[in-house]
Amino acid sequence: GENVEQHPSTLSVQEGDSAVIKCTYSDSASNYFPWYKQELGKGPQLIIDIRSNVGEKKDQRIAVTLNKTAKHFSLHITETQPEDSAVYFCAANQVDSSYKLIFGSGTRLLVRP
Amino acid sequence: DTAVSQTPKYLVTQMGNDKSIKCEQNLGHDTMYWYKQDSKKFLKIMFSYNNKELIINETVPNRFSPKSPDKAHLNLHINSLELGDSAVYFCASSQSRTGNTGELFFGEGSRLTVL
Repeated sequence: GENVEQHPSTLSVQEGDSAVIKCTYSDSASNYFPWYKQELGKGPQLIIDIRSNVGEKKDQRIAVTLNKTAKHFSLHITETQPEDSAVYFCAANQVDSSYKLIFGSGTRLLVRP
Repeated sequence: DTAVSQTPKYLVTQMGNDKSIKCEQNLGHDTMYWYKQDSKKFLKIMFSYNNKELIINETVPNRFSPKSPDKAHLNLHINSLELGDSAVYFCASSQSRTGNTGELFFGEGSRLTVL
């Protein structure tokens, strides 16, 4: 089955700097890679996703890149703000009849004012 | 109006007790899930139902039993609670049974503490 590894586990940046979180996946058949943001006391919320037919996707200050050959994908947040502080999860789909989404272990991002 | 709502938000109970967590979604989705998030924040799927049919049943102890009375509701019953069951349990829903290719909508979680 699919295995997703995520790093770093914690990341502290100064407000206005960029933050990058990286994930690798094991199953070359995976074709859907979402990123979720979890604020304190809340459930995870989708912030951006990418499918295997594109290499990059942007939405304002966030972007995701995908390298299918190397089986890794990254989340880039530019001009970070204190409200970006949260736990971020990457995920990859398991392409079989299980319909599972396999999550990474999470990255706690702290944006210092 | 909350899209995916879970009750209770907090649950503190003794080992050996039986407890239930309820979930309701008003998004009109066909598929609902239970995820467990442990103290290290790791998110792991437990169960998934599509139109009241169980489609994902991970290797969890059979003390955990999901029940879906209709496609808008998915409850989780846990028998003989153990210390290791302490976690945050998230309910989620998606538009189709292929929830692994589209957005999952999560509830706010139910924090279970077993003493």
